[in-house]
Amino acid sequence: AQSVTQLGSHVSVSEGALVLLRCNYSSSVPPYLFWYVQYPNQGLQLLLKYTSAATLVKGINGFEAEFKKSETSFHLTKPSAHMSDAAEYFCAVLSNIGNEKLTFGTGTRLTIIP
Amino acid sequence: EPEVTQTPSHQVTQMGQEVILRCVPISNHLYFYWYRQILGQKVEFLVSFYNNEISEKSEIFDDQFSVERPDGSNFTLKIRSTKLEDSAMYFCASIDRANTEAFFGQGTRLTVV
Repeated sequence: AQSVTQLGSHVSVSEGALVLLRCNYSSSVPPYLFWYVQYPNQGLQLLLKYTSAATLVKGINGFEAEFKKSETSFHLTKPSAHMSDAAEYFCAVLSNIGNEKLTFGTGTRLTIIP
Repeated sequence: EPEVTQTPSHQVTQMGQEVILRCVPISNHLYFYWYRQILGQKVEFLVSFYNNEISEKSEIFDDQFSVERPDGSNFTLKIRSTKLEDSAMYFCASIDRANTEAFFGQGTRLTVV
């Protein structure tokens, strides 16, 4: 079984400040991990993914995430927040065997303060 | 870039009516999924489909739901007798396990009145 926990349903940061969105996973096998972004009234856009290559993964829009097996974490960061980053962010886990489904966290709504 | 397409983008239906949500997954993908997102809530798994059959379904996916891949390209979700609580955004996804790419459509917003 696999699951994802996103700490903080709402995160607010000032424009230009560091963005840190937390994600912890649980998986019985080495997982694949994803971050998706959802802008209001839109679909799910892939930000980045971890697939057992480099532990530090860079994605679109300046975001990156680091896979830490010892902490079972895959936190999303961006050094300097921009107003356009305001959105809902979802962490998701996919098992790398069989036909496991993509399991989503509950999401974190990021608000940028001007 | 490949994309998953969903139609319609928005559907309004009366309670008790049947609706069919359509998806065209990426052509060389083998695994297909439907997810649901009630407004402001998490993205919930409904069903996965592989090799022309359901491989897993959630407890949400009860007898009123069915999926089909009628012609090798379309992937449909049918809701037989819609209820008010079926109002949600429905996302189709297709996954390429070889490259671990998971692509989502833009969703169909279903409103049951």
